[in-house]
Amino acid sequence: IAGITQAPTSQILAAGRRMTLRCTQDMRHNAMYWYRQDLGLGLRLIHYSNTAGTTGKGEVPDGYSVSRANTDDFPLTLASAVPSQTSVYFCASSEGASGSSGTQYFGPGTRLTVL
Amino acid sequence: GDSVTQMEGPVTLSEEAFLTINCTYTATGYPSLFWYVQYPGEGLQLLLKATKADDKGSNKGFEATYRKETTSFHLEKGSVQVSDSAVYFCALLEGGYNKLIFGAGTRLAVHP
Repeated sequence: IAGITQAPTSQILAAGRRMTLRCTQDMRHNAMYWYRQDLGLGLRLIHYSNTAGTTGKGEVPDGYSVSRANTDDFPLTLASAVPSQTSVYFCASSEGASGSSGTQYFGPGTRLTVL
Repeated sequence: GDSVTQMEGPVTLSEEAFLTINCTYTATGYPSLFWYVQYPGEGLQLLLKATKADDKGSNKGFEATYRKETTSFHLEKGSVQVSDSAVYFCALLEGGYNKLIFGAGTRLAVHP
């Protein structure tokens, strides 16, 4: 079982460029999430999706967009990257949304550097 | 809004020492509480959880008890190993939307 895969593993990006981080899960989980991890701040939720076809904003959504065309994929797009978006990005999934156990499964992360 | 506060790290211990990592939370109602662990170069993985007051979560020798009176969920282990070196995150489940609120993380370094 692969679980959650993320691509690329790392990327160096010029400011102003567009970038899509990919996330795929094979567990048929309904809910998916994007977090960014910054030193001293823990993980902060960027966007989430409770089920295919729906998305919602998390704590730090500005500058990011997501789509959920199917159950398995949840790409995160930076339309015009800025240096403050330098971070490690984690995708996660869970079986369900409201009323579920709350256990989330995380991918290995994408390390993004914006210069 | 809901929040989680963890003790700042790094925590540096010798092998077989006792570990405590403090975690307190602020929330409306009684959220489920979690400890996640992140080993070097990896994503987070669930270590243990508790869903109601006085529940004790346990896994791999780690324990944490949900204390409603003190709004705490401290992580403990009686004898740490070098392989326990990692970053530990306390988290709570917000409302009914399966959104986790994380603490800032505590880095643990265990030396032989």
